[in-house]
Amino acid sequence: SQQGEEDPQALSIQEGENATMNCSYKTSINNLQWYRQNSGRGLVHLILIRSNEREKHSGRLRVTLDTSKKSSSLLITASRAADTASYFCVTYYGNNRLAFGKGNQVVVIP
Amino acid sequence: EPEVTQTPSHQVTQMGQEVILRCVPISNHLYFYWYRQILGQKVEFLVSFYNNEISEKSEIFDDQFSVERPDGSNFTLKIRSTKLEDSAMYFCASSEVAEGHEQYFGPGTRLTVT
Repeated sequence: SQQGEEDPQALSIQEGENATMNCSYKTSINNLQWYRQNSGRGLVHLILIRSNEREKHSGRLRVTLDTSKKSSSLLITASRAADTASYFCVTYYGNNRLAFGKGNQVVVIP
Repeated sequence: EPEVTQTPSHQVTQMGQEVILRCVPISNHLYFYWYRQILGQKVEFLVSFYNNEISEKSEIFDDQFSVERPDGSNFTLKIRSTKLEDSAMYFCASSEVAEGHEQYFGPGTRLTVT
């Protein structure tokens, strides 16, 4: 399968804690993106990291990419209740389509 | 902030009926996509569309599916003869440029085939 696979699948944390999600993929990518989906809603793009980048930041988000291990991680710092959502690792292989992982359910307890 | 809109939010149809799902992409975007998410499963790519033609389609996108940009603003997905297994959330997305840039997704249309 070319899709990213997130680990862990479900995460429950206290507000203020950090949340880390990992993703692995199987073949070389052009870029890797993370999307968020709130319950029953659409998908929101969070951050994109290119294959020649190793780390990227956006607000409270930090994403890393290790192409040698074919893995990525998303860190959400100082989590808030509003961060409760599903987070998807999405890979792009250059074929004009995005490949979604299964999603990682994060629950932030106030 | 510009956003992708989709109508209807929920569509119930009987097996064998035709449905048209509608999307209005962001106005200056040139690339359009449809994805679907069956309950409890991954989001799956269906088709990408650029310059009035399909640029890429998945194995799911068979002869029962078609897409169209009938005017300068709408982008539609038609399912000719719906099956029970077509029940899913269908997401439209658009992007300003292709090549894996960020895509902006609509809120989705929940299709229920009975």
